[in-house]
Amino acid sequence: KAGVTQTPRYLIKTRGQQVTLSCSPISGHRSVSWYQQTPGQGLQFLFEYFSETQRNKGNFPGRFSGRQFSNSRSEMNVSTLELGDSALYLCASSLRPSGEETQYFGPGTRLLVL
Amino acid sequence: LAKTTQPISMDSYEGQEVNITCSHNNIATNDYITWYQQFPSQGPRFIIQGYKTKVTNEVASLFIPADRKSSTLSLPRVSLSDTAVYYCLVGGRMNRDDKIIFGKGTRLHILP
Repeated sequence: KAGVTQTPRYLIKTRGQQVTLSCSPISGHRSVSWYQQTPGQGLQFLFEYFSETQRNKGNFPGRFSGRQFSNSRSEMNVSTLELGDSALYLCASSLRPSGEETQYFGPGTRLLVL
Repeated sequence: LAKTTQPISMDSYEGQEVNITCSHNNIATNDYITWYQQFPSQGPRFIIQGYKTKVTNEVASLFIPADRKSSTLSLPRVSLSDTAVYYCLVGGRMNRDDKIIFGKGTRLHILP
C-alpha cells in the first residue's frame, strides 16, 4: 500500500506570497492532520480533517487554512507568508480521527520564506 | 489530551538497552499511549502503542504501570541508527476541542 505523499517536497517563496501544499493520504484513510515543525517550536498541530470537515484546529493565525476533498486528499494554504513560516510541514493520515489511531506521516514539504 | 513530559535528551552506547520514560499524570480512562520516532528531515514514524501493562513488538517494548501516569519505551540493544527524536503521545477518541500535542520529544543520541 502506498504511503502518505506530499507535494511539493521543497518550496521557496518570498514574504507576502501565498502557498498551497498537497497531501494524499494512504488509501482508505479518511483523516488527515497537518503539522508545522521548526527547530524552536518542535512539532505543532495545525488542523485535522475528517470526511471533508475540519474537526480540530491548533493555535495558528487565520492565514493558515486547509481543506479536504471527497477522495480524502487534503491541501493546506498559507497566505501572506512571513519569514517565520519557514518550516517543515508534515501531513499525517489515519483511518479515523487520530486520538487513538496510529498516524502515518508523509515526508513533509520544506518551505523556505525569503 | 493529556500533557506529556519527557527528558529533553539522552545518550547511550551501541548494544545497550535504552529506556525513555514519559509522564502523563492526567491521562484519561480512554487514552492510549503512542510512541513515534523521527529522523531528521523525515516525518515521525509509529513505533508502538499500548493501553496498560506491557506491549512488545519487533522493535520495542512499552511498559505501563497500573496507574498509567507514566510509560517507558524500551529499545533493546540500540544501534547508531536508533539516533532520533522519540515522541510520546497520549490520546483517546478525540473530542472536538482536543488538540494533538507532540511536545518536544526526547533526542536520543547513540554513541559507538
